[in-house]
Amino acid sequence: GDSVTQMEGPVTLSEEAFLTINCTYTATGYPSLFWYVQYPGEGLQLLLKATKADDKGSNKGFEATYRKETTSFHLEKGSVQVSDSAVYFCALSDGSNDMRFGAGTRLTVKP
Amino acid sequence: DAGVIQSPRHEVTEMGQEVTLRCKPISGHDYLFWYRQTMMRGLELLIYFNNNVPIDDSGMPEDRFSAKMPNASFSTLKIQPSEPRDSAVYFCASTGGPWAEAFFGQGTRLTVV
Repeated sequence: GDSVTQMEGPVTLSEEAFLTINCTYTATGYPSLFWYVQYPGEGLQLLLKATKADDKGSNKGFEATYRKETTSFHLEKGSVQVSDSAVYFCALSDGSNDMRFGAGTRLTVKP
Repeated sequence: DAGVIQSPRHEVTEMGQEVTLRCKPISGHDYLFWYRQTMMRGLELLIYFNNNVPIDDSGMPEDRFSAKMPNASFSTLKIQPSEPRDSAVYFCASTGGPWAEAFFGQGTRLTVV
């Protein structure tokens, strides 16, 4: 079945460092891909999405490109801030009504 | 729209008691999901509904768990009897259709003592 594998954490970075969180997926069809962010004590919020190959989703300085050839959707940010500290989830939806989530990666940004 | 609304935000109960968690999805969304989040197991899908009908409940851990969706604007997740290992954060989410993003509620933090 469909699945999402994302880079295990935790990840600790200094402020203004470059961030990459890897995400790869397995799907039989043409899924939509998502990154969600969860701040402490809150629910998951959509960060960005891409619905077809080569699409780039972006929001708040974060970017991810839908790479069908490598079945990947890596999350990147050029300069992280302390306020970016959160748990990040990669997810896919293949149209079968069930959304699959990765295990989550905890990011801590230190000043 | 106010988003997905869950109640209560926090629930502390004694082992053996019945617990009912509530969710109001976003108006017009046809799909509703219940998830459980723990440190050990991460985010687990328990059950989801399409047009108020349960489609996949294979994630429900055991018969003590049940979920209903009597109408398009309300769903409940019930645990009876509750056990300490049920302690977790329970999330409800809704989406407007296949391939669409899910919108999550704030969650209910359940503690069973």
